[in-house]
Amino acid sequence: AQTVTQSQPEMSVQEAETVTLSCTYDTSESDYYLFWYKQPPSRQMILVIRQEAYKQQNATENRFSVNFQKAAKSFSLKISDSQLGDAAMYFCAYRSTYQGGKLIFGQGTELSVKP
Amino acid sequence: NAGVTQTPKFQVLKTGQSMTLQCAQDMNHNSMYWYRQDPGMGLRLIYYSASEGTTDKGEVPNGYNVSRLNKREFSLRLESAAPSQTSVYFCASSEYYGGVGEKLFFGSGTQLSVL
Repeated sequence: AQTVTQSQPEMSVQEAETVTLSCTYDTSESDYYLFWYKQPPSRQMILVIRQEAYKQQNATENRFSVNFQKAAKSFSLKISDSQLGDAAMYFCAYRSTYQGGKLIFGQGTELSVKP
Repeated sequence: NAGVTQTPKFQVLKTGQSMTLQCAQDMNHNSMYWYRQDPGMGLRLIYYSASEGTTDKGEVPNGYNVSRLNKREFSLRLESAAPSQTSVYFCASSEYYGGVGEKLFFGSGTQLSVL
């Protein structure tokens, strides 16, 4: 069975600085997808970025980028130029290629942004 | 465009009571999902419906039943609520189950407390 682990329950960053959130996963599959979701206090789950395992190039979305290390089974999220609105719970998630919307989530990292 | 709408947003039940959580999406999506979120844990899949007319168990189905009423609506029923079912429940939908570009859209959640 696949597992996703986020070892940082809480992180803090100064506004305008860069922060990296860690995620590791365990799987025996070769094809899969990885995601980072943001959950602000409103509880809405918002997709931040996704990575296809067959792609070597790291995904980027504006100030958000990932460092995908397939052999190490590591998938970290880097937030550049942090903004107050980035404060939220961040979840790393895994999906098998053939399992549809059956996401497996990590425990989450609470990110606070200091002005 | 409402997206995924869940009702109610908050609910308090006594042990043994029953209730149905409602979910509707207006994006003409084929697939719908029910997740639960517990403190210190990521979301876990309860049930899903890959397409209208089908439902399948997820990771934590015990104590729940679901109904895919039509393409728009997917309800979650607790027949005899237990304190262990105190959680935040999320409904989600996606255009196609397992598609390469599959993207989940989440509702804003239902906070359920079972006393």
